[in-house]
Amino acid sequence: AQSVAQPEDQVNVAEGNPLTVKCTYSVSGNPYLFWYVQYPNRGLQFLLKYITGDNLVKGSYGFEAEFNKSQTSFHLKKPSALVSDSALYFCAVGDSNYQLIWGAGTKLIIKP
Amino acid sequence: DVKVTQSSRYLVKRTGEKVFLECVQDMDHENMFWYRQDPGLGLRLIYFSYDVKMKEKGDIPEGYSVSREKKERFSLILESASTNQTSMYLCASRGTGTGYEQYFGPGTRLTVT
Repeated sequence: AQSVAQPEDQVNVAEGNPLTVKCTYSVSGNPYLFWYVQYPNRGLQFLLKYITGDNLVKGSYGFEAEFNKSQTSFHLKKPSALVSDSALYFCAVGDSNYQLIWGAGTKLIIKP
Repeated sequence: DVKVTQSSRYLVKRTGEKVFLECVQDMDHENMFWYRQDPGLGLRLIYFSYDVKMKEKGDIPEGYSVSREKKERFSLILESASTNQTSMYLCASRGTGTGYEQYFGPGTRLTVT
């Protein structure tokens, strides 16, 4: 069965430092991978996706993610964190029925 | 610009009441979804619809039903609300053949007392 794991409930980063939010997946076949962000009391916003091609995917708000097939990971990264990046981040993988399987979410806190 | 709207941001209902949550999208998307979001559990799929009048059960359909009479509108119905249905409800839509990404509404935070 396909699954997604976000091993950290919370990540704390100082403003200006690089950030990484981790995601690992388990799928049969080629993975379709996604990151979404949720600001407080808001719906989810699409950040970026990996379907095929370059392993480094660039998305909105300066975020990028690196697809690593051997480690079955799709970690979200940003070179320099902003306080406004504080939010809840979700990783998801597409299944064979075009549905998304969601991770539990990681709360990102950026401290000034 | 893609837009998904939900009828209420906050809703308080009593146990046993019938509750309607409405979702409207203006993107002419074929696929629409209802999720509930609870802390530490991520998003769980309740129902989805791939066409007008078509519906499929998701992972947690018990206690819920849905209606899709028009392409742009997808309703979630709680036949008899219970306190364990207190949650954040998220609606999403997706086109066919445009990739997997789903577009979400702002959510409805439902409290059942």
